[in-house]
Amino acid sequence: EIVLTQSPGTLSLSPGERATLSCRASQSVSSSYLAWYQQKPGQAPRLLIYGASNRATGIPDRFSGSGSGTDFTLTISRLEPEDFAVYYCQQYGSSHTFGQGTKLEIK
Amino acid sequence: QVQLQESGPGLVKPSETLSLTCAVSGYSISSGYYWGWIRQPPGKGLEWIGSIYYNGSTYYNPSLKSRVTISLDTSKNHFSLRLNSVTAADTAFYYCARQEVDFDTSGPEEFDYWGQGTLVTVSS
Repeated sequence: EIVLTQSPGTLSLSPGERATLSCRASQSVSSSYLAWYQQKPGQAPRLLIYGASNRATGIPDRFSGSGSGTDFTLTISRLEPEDFAVYYCQQYGSSHTFGQGTKLEIK
Repeated sequence: QVQLQESGPGLVKPSETLSLTCAVSGYSISSGYYWGWIRQPPGKGLEWIGSIYYNGSTYYNPSLKSRVTISLDTSKNHFSLRLNSVTAADTAFYYCARQEVDFDTSGPEEFDYWGQGTLVTVSS
């Protein structure tokens, strides 16, 4: 099973700042089969990024994904108040596993 | 617009079977895509349970495979989850979701549409 480790566990930033979230896999994720989701309290996760770097429909261009192999990054270029949430990565190259999440909180 | 809605008992007794249904609107589940179940214990992370292809092929999380059954009911345009021999560790929010299909391999990919989730508590 591919284990995904997200860091940091909690990220404290202010609106307008840049956020960089990391997702590291225990083994290579084939064909960059990696997605990122945003989850707000009381809501279902929302797909942000698929295929490591493709934005899902309706996702603002301040969200971007990059990486390959075992190291992947979600970047939010300029934080908006509505971006503070928990973010999960998911790999679907070998079965399906999720990272444990990164909480992005207002500083 | 594709919409998914989970339904089922909110309370299940230990050792019994958890049964949930996901009603899909805006798309015929017999036309394509994978349809999956994901769960999330309160305050914790996400765990994939399993998925079913529109043709009935199923894929399960190895850690749950012995207890899980996912099925399609195309006449009602819904799909279902059964998880047997439940314990308190199965208490969670259960989400249903649609999964994209890999163009080359026809394998399941990311989850693009999600239901709102339903809380199932396992307790006597």
